[in-house]
Formats: sequence, C-alpha cells, structure tokens
Amino acid sequence: GAGVSQSPSNKVTEKGKDVELRCDPISGHTALYWYRQSLGQGLEFLIYFQGNSAPDKSGLPSDRFSAERTGGSVSTLTIQRTQQEDSAVYLCASSFGTRGYNEQFFGPGTRLTVL
Amino acid sequence: DQQVKQNSPSLSVQEGRISILNCDYTNSMFDYFLWYKKYPAEGPTFLISISSIKDKNEDGRFTVFLNKSAKHLSLHIVPSQPGDSAVYFCAASGRGGGSNYKLTFGKGTLLTVNP
Repeated sequence: GAGVSQSPSNKVTEKGKDVELRCDPISGHTALYWYRQSLGQGLEFLIYFQGNSAPDKSGLPSDRFSAERTGGSVSTLTIQRTQQEDSAVYLCASSFGTRGYNEQFFGPGTRLTVL
Repeated sequence: DQQVKQNSPSLSVQEGRISILNCDYTNSMFDYFLWYKKYPAEGPTFLISISSIKDKNEDGRFTVFLNKSAKHLSLHIVPSQPGDSAVYFCAASGRGGGSNYKLTFGKGTLLTVNP
C-alpha cells in the first residue's frame, strides 16, 4: 500500500509568485493535516481537514495561505504572493480520523524555496 | 511560546550504549505524547507513543517514560545502533475530538550513534 505522497518534492519560486503544493493521503484516511518545518524549527501545524471540511485553520500564518480538499482525498495548499519567509519544508500527514488517538502518517514533504 | 521543548539539539552516543532523549511540555491539556524519527529528505515516521494514563510504554529497544507531575517525558533506546542516527521529534496532542488531535512538536534532537 502506498503511503502519503506529496508533489512537487522541491519547488523554487520567485518572491511574489503563487505556488500550489499537493498531498495524496493514504486511501481511507479521513483526517488530513498540513504542517511546515522552517529551518531550525520543529513542525508547525497549519490546517486540519476532516473529510472535505477544515474545522481548524488556526495555524495558517496569513491570508495568503489557503488549502482545500476534494473528494475526501487529495489536498492542495496554495500560497499566494510568496515571501522569503515562506521558505520551509511543507509536510502533509493523514490518519484514520479523530476518534481516539490515531497515528499520523507523514509524506516526504515539499521543500519550498522563495528567492 | 514553545509548548513542547527539546532542550538538547544534539546527542552523540556509542553503539551499544543507551540513548536518552528528553522532552518537556507546558500545556497541561496535552494527554497523548509521541516520538517521531526523521531521516534527511524524508517525512517523520512514528516511533512510539504514550497516553497520560500510563507512565511507561515499551516497544523492543524503545521505551518512553512519562512524568506527568514534572511535565517531562523521555525516550530510551537500548542498545543504540548506528541506524538509529536521525532527528527525533517529541510531539503532544490534546484530548477530545476534532483538531485537538493536531500535533505540537518540539524542535527535535539530532542523535548520532557512533560505531
């Protein structure tokens, strides 16, 4: 069985451009999370999806960040008008849901570099 | 305000000896704790977890200890092997449903096991 996949693995963009990052969760996982890891920092929560809805967007750092999930599966994280401080590794995780404690399985991440 | 702290950025041990990684937390609402292991260019992989109703959980060479009164947990690896060399992240989650299951991570400890 495939794990969580993310694309692209690396993205270099110029300041001010928009970028879109994709996450394919493990089939059957209803919960999906986005995190990011900036240099020298731990993983920082961004947004959580249960199915297609996002009950917790509290970690999104600004209104330039948005995310959606369709069909209870694939999710995209969009960053508009990228800034240099957006440079980080963006990680996606999925789990069976939120009833009880469920292990979150992480993808390999997308390394975003904003020049 | 860091709610999960790993105060040692790095640790070096000899093969065969014990590795002890420490983690402190401040939020008394956390009641589930996890350790993740991360190799370069890969996503974090789940290692071991512990619920707040326990003070110890063991899985093979890995044991996690939880001291709730001190808000402290530790990961013991015995015996340490060179393949254990990686960054270890401590993470915590709150009780209840929904996005309380989002993980709050420490900054990680780089473990190096020398042959």
